[in-house]
Amino acid sequence: EIVLTQSPGTLSLSPGERATLSCRASQSVSSSYLAWYQQKPGQAPRLLIYGVSTRATGIPDRFSGSGSGTDFTLTISRLEPEDFAVYYCQQYGSSPHTFGQGTKLQIK
Amino acid sequence: QVQLQESGPGLVKPSETLSLTCTVSGGSISGYYWSWIRQPPGKGLEWIGYIYYSGSTNQNPSLKSRLTISVDTSKNQFSLKLSSVTAADTAVYYCARGTSGAVAGNLGYWGQGTLVTVSS
Repeated sequence: EIVLTQSPGTLSLSPGERATLSCRASQSVSSSYLAWYQQKPGQAPRLLIYGVSTRATGIPDRFSGSGSGTDFTLTISRLEPEDFAVYYCQQYGSSPHTFGQGTKLQIK
Repeated sequence: QVQLQESGPGLVKPSETLSLTCTVSGGSISGYYWSWIRQPPGKGLEWIGYIYYSGSTNQNPSLKSRLTISVDTSKNQFSLKLSSVTAADTAVYYCARGTSGAVAGNLGYWGQGTLVTVSS
């Protein structure tokens, strides 16, 4: 099973700042099948990025994904008030599919 | 726009079977992988498994001995059954679909989720 470790656990930033979230895999992620999700309280997760760097439909271009192998990054270039939420990475290249434990992005 | 809706009992007794159905509207169940994910209160996401519209499945080994995922294409529904439940199975259960039919991941469509509590 591929274990995904996200860091930091909590990130405190102000609107307008740049956010960098990390996701490290215990083994190489097959076929670059790495996705990022945003979840707000009481809501289902929302797909932001898939295939490491492809933005899902309707996702603003301030969200970008990068990385390869075992190290992946989600970058939010300029934080908007609505971006403060919990973010999860997920690998879907190997079974079982696994999620990271999440990074909480909170307002400083 | 495809929509997913989970349904089923919100309370299940320990040792009994948890049964949920996901109804798909706005599109056909054919041609896609259909997934179940759960989230214990205040915790992270756990992948349960998926089923292809043809009936083939892939399940989390940690649940496999208790888990059945099935599909009914005539009703545009797929279902989850989890037997011998304990309090550790208390969670919000989500059904979801990938953005394309080619892969089971990149879950772009989600149901709203349904809370299932295991308690006597």
